[in-house]
Amino acid sequence: KAGVTQTPRYLIKTRGQQVTLSCSPISGHRSVSWYQQTPGQGLQFLFEYFSETQRNKGNFPGRFSGRQFSNSRSEMNVSTLELGDSALYLCASSLGGFRNQPQHFGDGTRLSIL
Amino acid sequence: AQKVTQAQTEISVVEKEDVTLDCVYETRDTTYYLFWYKQPPSGELVFLIRRNSFDEQNEISGRYSWNFQKSTSSFNFTITASQVVDSAVYFCALDQKLVFGQGTRLTINP
Repeated sequence: KAGVTQTPRYLIKTRGQQVTLSCSPISGHRSVSWYQQTPGQGLQFLFEYFSETQRNKGNFPGRFSGRQFSNSRSEMNVSTLELGDSALYLCASSLGGFRNQPQHFGDGTRLSIL
Repeated sequence: AQKVTQAQTEISVVEKEDVTLDCVYETRDTTYYLFWYKQPPSGELVFLIRRNSFDEQNEISGRYSWNFQKSTSSFNFTITASQVVDSAVYFCALDQKLVFGQGTRLTINP
């Protein structure tokens, strides 16, 4: 069974640009969550999508947005990039609600802002 | 508010030693779930265990064991007879929005 696939693996952008990251969940998984990992802040929850609807949201500014498609694939968009957005962005999928179900993580997209 | 604290930032032991990773959590919920994840150098987080708040039974899986104590809000993780392959960052997490601790970097030296 294929795992969670995130593309691209690495990305370099400059301040002010925007970026879109992609996540393909495990087949059959309907919940997709996004996390930001930085050395200073650790792992922080961005948002979760379930059946194309945002179900939970973390404490990130509106520059961070996402969406989920009917095939459960998800994209995350960050607009007006700032230096502080440099991070590893992780996507995770689970069968349904993640409160009691383990999440399966992808390898992440490492975003560097110059 | 929910919070997870992993006070040990880094631990380094010699192979075959036992090591315990501490996790203390805060939540006002009466029903909640706790998780441990492992993040090897490759970066992908790997699920290790899930525990719900009503099940305080300790669990053992091979060299891994978990001690859940509601009275002290702790969910500690012990690796017995550690191996070099156990080297990774380990995260304890609390449900809802998967509130993660800061992680403990475990290094097992040969």
